Amino acid sequence: DAMVIQNPRYQVTQFGKPVTLSCSQTLNHNVMYWYQQKSSQAPKLLFHYYDKDFNNEADTPDNFQSRRPNTSFCFLDIRSPGLGDAAMYLCATSRRTGVAYEQYFGPGTRLTVT
Amino acid sequence: AQTVTQSQPEMSVQEAETVTLSCTYDTSESDYYLFWYKQPPSRQMILVIRQEAYKQQNATENRFSVNFQKAAKSFSLKISDSQLGDAAMYFCASTSGTYKYIFGTGTRLKVLA
Repeated sequence: DAMVIQNPRYQVTQFGKPVTLSCSQTLNHNVMYWYQQKSSQAPKLLFHYYDKDFNNEADTPDNFQSRRPNTSFCFLDIRSPGLGDAAMYLCATSRRTGVAYEQYFGPGTRLTVT
Repeated sequence: AQTVTQSQPEMSVQEAETVTLSCTYDTSESDYYLFWYKQPPSRQMILVIRQEAYKQQNATENRFSVNFQKAAKSFSLKISDSQLGDAAMYFCASTSGTYKYIFGTGTRLKVLA
């Protein structure tokens, strides 16, 4: 089945230690998103890729970076995680912008910062 | 700017009964789309139902239907014959066809056996 896969599902890192979360998709969608979701809150968009074009939200901290080496993969790098970065990180895809196709979500990576 | 408001943080429904989750939105766009997503505990978010604003007919997917009131900017979700598996966080979302999807704060639905 076509899907959005996130690895790892659970990640524990130390305060200040860089961490990378990964997302892959078999849907061949050209738009990929990273969201941060804290407990019982709405997902907060961090950035998205439209093909290779990277789009950062204005309020995304500089601590967060992303890479998309090809259509299928997208990475979220947190350079110096703080305690406030503990959250669920959701990857999502959609076919394209301009037409409101729904988003397809991965299962998320729960990040713990110790 | 688009906004989405869900005023019910939590709802409960008896198994086999019907429940309605509320959502209001605001947008200056003439063309937009509305969604309900379901996020079960520790599981991924999935689309429940979508509605194109230009369509007057309310969307229906099996036991799930919406009441779309465009003038009132209201988009409620009705779940009929509620099942234990319907227990989840439900998010209302909108997009005008750009990249950005605006989510509400969610409604936690509990289904009582």
